[in-house]
Amino acid sequence: NAGVTQTPKFQVLKTGQSMTLQCAQDMNHEYMSWYRQDPGMGLRLIHYSVGAGITDQGEVPNGYNVSRSTTEDFPLRLLSAAPSQTSVYFCASSYTLQLAKNIQYFGAGTRLSVL
Amino acid sequence: GNSVTQMEGPVTLSEEAFLTINCTYTATGYPSLFWYVQYPGEGLQLLLKATKADDKGSNKGFEATYRKETTSFHLEKGSVQVSDSAVYFCALTGDSGGSNYKLTFGKGTLLTVNP
Repeated sequence: NAGVTQTPKFQVLKTGQSMTLQCAQDMNHEYMSWYRQDPGMGLRLIHYSVGAGITDQGEVPNGYNVSRSTTEDFPLRLLSAAPSQTSVYFCASSYTLQLAKNIQYFGAGTRLSVL
Repeated sequence: GNSVTQMEGPVTLSEEAFLTINCTYTATGYPSLFWYVQYPGEGLQLLLKATKADDKGSNKGFEATYRKETTSFHLEKGSVQVSDSAVYFCALTGDSGGSNYKLTFGKGTLLTVNP
């Protein structure tokens, strides 16, 4: 059981480049989310999805797009990377969005640097 | 809005020492409280949780009690091991539709245990 898989693990971009961070889960979870982790700031929610075809914004959505065409996959797109997007990105999933009742599983993260 | 304040690190202890990491929160209603652990190079893992006042969460020798009167959820362990070296995050999720779909994290506390 692979759990939550994120690719790539590391990425370096130049300002203005675009890229997609991949996230896949094999637990048939309805709820998936993306967080970014910055030093001294904990994790902050970027976007989330409660099922295929349904997405919504979190706390810090600007500069990021998401889509959810299947239950398994939830990619995060940076259309025009900026240095402020240098961060570690975590994808997470849980059975439902009721996080008090369902364990949220995290991927190992993608470390992104934007020069 | 919801917020979590946890003890600033880093914390350095000798093996078998007693550990306390303080966590206090601000939230309306009756949030659920969590401690997550992040080992070097890995994603976050749920360590323990408590979903109502006076509940005690426990796992791997770690404990935390949900204290509504002091809005606290301090993490404790009686005898730490080198393998406990990690970053610890306190987090909460709300109890209503507007806030129960996301985790609000503290900034994290780095624990280093020396042999």
